[in-house]
Amino acid sequence: EDQVTQSPEALRLQEGESSSLNCSYTVSGLRGLFWYRQDPGKGPEFLFTLYSAGEEKEKERLKATLTKKESFLHITAPKPEDSATYLCAVREYNTDKLIFGTGTRLQVFP
Amino acid sequence: EAGVTQFPSHSVIEKGQTVTLRCDPISGHDNLYWYRRVMGKEIKFLLHFVKESKQDESGMPNNRFLAERTGGTYSTLKVQPAELEDSGVYFCASSSLQETQYFGPGTRLLVL
Repeated sequence: EDQVTQSPEALRLQEGESSSLNCSYTVSGLRGLFWYRQDPGKGPEFLFTLYSAGEEKEKERLKATLTKKESFLHITAPKPEDSATYLCAVREYNTDKLIFGTGTRLQVFP
Repeated sequence: EAGVTQFPSHSVIEKGQTVTLRCDPISGHDNLYWYRRVMGKEIKFLLHFVKESKQDESGMPNNRFLAERTGGTYSTLKVQPAELEDSGVYFCASSSLQETQYFGPGTRLLVL
């Protein structure tokens, strides 16, 4: 069965303290891995799409990487405004639906 | 460019009542998706429209849920009759051929 597992469930960081979020996946054929950010009371906001192992994408303090079994979202020198839930989702070759993980709730303290 | 919009933002109904949720996708997006998250669980797929046709409805939980997309523009998701376990947040997303799905703010449904 297709599965997406995110860890840790929650992460507390001091401002400027870099860290990484993990997304492990099991699908029969990966068509894309997606990272979203979700703020309380809002919908998921698109961040990145990764398609093949070895691919990397960057946006401001965020960098997403992909291997054949997992993806990492690296956060460099985070700021309080980076506090949010980060969601990982995968899509298989024969479908358009996204399979989500439960997310990592990140809190960055000044 | 306006994003995906959903109405209402919140709905509180009693068990057995009917509720209709509406989603307006980004203009020009042929693909429209419905997802939901129940308390403590991950966001799960419900169904996918391409224009006015249902492409995949494998995630619809039972026949109390009816989704329509007349004319290939906005979509409605009706729950009739609502049960306690239908409570959760219902998200709509849309995409063009570029495949990235853009999500709306969600409708928070509480069934008492």
